[in-house]
Amino acid sequence: EILMTQSPATLSVSPGERATLSCRASQSVSSNLAWYQQKPGQAPRLLIYGASTRATGIPARFSGSGSGTDFTLTISSLQSEDFAVYYCQQYNNWPPYTFGQGTKLEI
Amino acid sequence: QVQLQESGPGLVKPSETLSLTCSVSGDSIFNYHWTWIRQPPGKGLEWIGYVHYSGSTNYNPSLKSRVTISLDTSKNQFSLSLSSVTAADTALYYCASSLDHLFDYWGQGALVTVSS
Repeated sequence: EILMTQSPATLSVSPGERATLSCRASQSVSSNLAWYQQKPGQAPRLLIYGASTRATGIPARFSGSGSGTDFTLTISSLQSEDFAVYYCQQYNNWPPYTFGQGTKLEI
Repeated sequence: QVQLQESGPGLVKPSETLSLTCSVSGDSIFNYHWTWIRQPPGKGLEWIGYVHYSGSTNYNPSLKSRVTISLDTSKNQFSLSLSSVTAADTALYYCASSLDHLFDYWGQGALVTVSS
């Protein structure tokens, strides 16, 4: 099973600032990496797949990068609605599909 | 757009079987893998498994001995059965559609508590 590790656990930033979230895989997952956003009381929402492709309707301020074992989600200018928990998910080696433990983005 | 809605008991006794159903609308049930994912309170996401209309299933090895996911195409529903539950199975259970290994549509989640 591939272990996904996200850092930091909590990231405190201000609206308008840039946020950089990291995800590391215990072994290479190539570019088979997705990012999800989860707001309180809601189901997760797919943001990024293929490490860098935005899902339908996702604003351009969200960008993903990386391959192999190290990945980054960048939010270029934080809006109030971006404060949430973000999860990475690998789909290179499955079953099982595995998620990171999440990064909470807070003000 | 796919819409999903979970239903089932919110309380299950230890050692019993947890059963949930997900009702699908908005798209053909033949187009996706139908997936269950759970989230213990305050924790991260755990993929449980999926069923495809072809009849194929795939489960998380950590749960495989206790899990069954089935599909009823006539009712546009799929179901989760998890046997021999313990308190560790207390979680918010989500049903989701999966295409190309990605989880693109989700239900709102059903909280299941395991307690006597």
